[in-house]
Amino acid sequence: DGGITQSPKYLFRKEGQNVTLSCEQNLNHDAMYWYRQDPGQGLRLIYYSQIVNDFQKGDIAEGYSVSREKKESFPLTVTSAQKNPTAFYLCASSIVEGQVNGYTFGSGTRLTVV
Amino acid sequence: SQQGEEDPQALSIQEGENATMNCSYKTSINNLQWYRQNSGRGLVHLILIRSNEREKHSGRLRVTLDTSKKSSSLLITASRAADTASYFCATDDDYKLSFGAGTTVTVRA
Repeated sequence: DGGITQSPKYLFRKEGQNVTLSCEQNLNHDAMYWYRQDPGQGLRLIYYSQIVNDFQKGDIAEGYSVSREKKESFPLTVTSAQKNPTAFYLCASSIVEGQVNGYTFGSGTRLTVV
Repeated sequence: SQQGEEDPQALSIQEGENATMNCSYKTSINNLQWYRQNSGRGLVHLILIRSNEREKHSGRLRVTLDTSKKSSSLLITASRAADTASYFCATDDDYKLSFGAGTTVTVRA
């Protein structure tokens, strides 16, 4: 079955530690996205990529980094510079044909600082 | 930036009733989309309506779009317990989506 896989489902980070969230898709979608969701709130865009080896900052990119070396993969690193990383992280992908179409989302990674 | 704003923030209805939620946005769009999120899960795409469309149906869902008022509504007819979820509208913004804060719908048995 085609879809997006995020791992791990739960992740715990110590102060000062970098952690990497995985996102893999087999939908052959060109565009991939990372969003952050805080309790009771909407989604805020962290980074997005429309093509391999290229990505753009979203609204809240500070303290995060990404890479897009393969079409299928778009990992997100939460660095120690991100002071409040506890949140639910969602990865998505889509076809972009002149305008953005519907996203397919992964099931999310819940990151907690301990 | 969050362009869409849903209203109401929360909605509680009896099973079998209809649920209506609204979305307002600020700038011109190519399309508007609605998503559902069950607690602790990813979002699921429900329906996309293009800027030149006024109404669209999908099963028990009906979406309207009024570009002159920059608003959209999502109607869920004959609600079921399984419709309990948060619903988000999203507008396209330069090849990416901006999401509102969502409407939480609770369907009581």
